[in-house]
Amino acid sequence: DQQVKQNSPSLSVQEGRISILNCDYTNSMFDYFLWYKKYPAEGPTFLISISSIKDKNEDGRFTVFLNKSAKHLSLHIVPSQPGDSAVYFCAASASNYQLIWGAGTKLIIKP
Amino acid sequence: KAGVTQTPRYLIKTRGQQVTLSCSPISGHRSVSWYQQTPGQGLQFLFEYFSETQRNKGNFPGRFSGRQFSNSRSEMNVSTLELGDSALYLCASSPPFLAGQETQYFGPGTRLLVL
Repeated sequence: DQQVKQNSPSLSVQEGRISILNCDYTNSMFDYFLWYKKYPAEGPTFLISISSIKDKNEDGRFTVFLNKSAKHLSLHIVPSQPGDSAVYFCAASASNYQLIWGAGTKLIIKP
Repeated sequence: KAGVTQTPRYLIKTRGQQVTLSCSPISGHRSVSWYQQTPGQGLQFLFEYFSETQRNKGNFPGRFSGRQFSNSRSEMNVSTLELGDSALYLCASSPPFLAGQETQYFGPGTRLLVL
């Protein structure tokens, strides 16, 4: 059973517009959530995280929103740039520290 | 500070063979995790080592094994390779963390092709 789900395998967004990537989870024990970005032939790189005590965390063009009641988090990228084209993974952890990963969403930024 | 390094970067093996992959974590990191990535499957957790002990294990068959050395370097071994083992194998290390707030830093991966 997938505890972390990214239901959109791919997303295409116009350059300069907002990109919204979604992630749902089923385990209510998750209390820490992360987003990673992955380019082809490279390992994922950490992008932004959020603790369950917050509902929003912002870092430059990237903002993560957490809705605990809906067990849903989203990553907003504003404005989207060509270099943002990559696969984005969300991951979650509970107190046992093991990260559980989603399947990833491929973001394509169109010029 | 040097990042996570993995060797080799690319590997071609045939069915039935075995393979050993190596990972050197970031200096000071004691936790090393291994993942398998295949298209459409995201990152599948293999196992995690901390201070030379396996702390967590994913749902992979016993053909997949690993170990960690006293300098935190880690190896994973896959025996009796199958075609389905073709994947990108990623290693990640973690710094000392606040409880429940683990951030992992990944190496570039080893691309394994089984023929």
